[in-house]
Amino acid sequence: EVQVVESGGGLVKPGGSLRLSCVTSGSSFTGAWMSWVRQAPGKGLEWVGRILSKAGGETREYAAPVKGRFSISRDDSKATVYLQMNSLETEDTAIYYCATHRTAGTFDPWGQGTLVTVSS
Amino acid sequence: DIQMTQSPSSLSASVGDRVTITCQASQDIRNNLNWYQEKPGKAPKLLIYDASNLKTGVPSRFSGGGSGTDFSFTISSLQPEDIATYSCQQSDNLPFTFGQGTKLEIK
Repeated sequence: EVQVVESGGGLVKPGGSLRLSCVTSGSSFTGAWMSWVRQAPGKGLEWVGRILSKAGGETREYAAPVKGRFSISRDDSKATVYLQMNSLETEDTAIYYCATHRTAGTFDPWGQGTLVTVSS
Repeated sequence: DIQMTQSPSSLSASVGDRVTITCQASQDIRNNLNWYQEKPGKAPKLLIYDASNLKTGVPSRFSGGGSGTDFSFTISSLQPEDIATYSCQQSDNLPFTFGQGTKLEIK
């Protein structure tokens, strides 16, 4: 069974940076496409971005609200994907989930999430 | 971006009831629609993919239907463990977008 575990969340001041990590186990990570999805308090789920596999050129795509501020990378040797978040805003406060792509646009499985709070 | 309008936003029903949630896309997404179950503190779970395909291991009381712009998700006989928030998601175009969620409660 594939497992996904996020870490790295915490409290950060506006304008600050944070790096989230997501480790997967139980299947081959090398060919996996990975996405980050977030959920702000009281809001619905919001796709943040994805990274394709090395075979897919490690292509990265981002949602408009985070483009230019957030960056996704991967280390296949560690079965880990990262979300580097810079210039954080209070609106970035959310639970951040990591998810494996079952298909190009279907997320399965997900991790339990890690909470990021941006506040002064 | 494709807007996903989900209704209702909350729903109260009794054990054994048939429950239906709808999701409307702002443009044709063919059958590229998924349904997820969310419980606090837990990983969201995929239940239905490609509008009507039940993920292996998911109870058969869950089902989905529709194509184009109008979709539905049904629980044929509500169980206590089904208390959760359910969200639709279009996988047709980037950026992937979700409905706002339907919070299901037991009456």
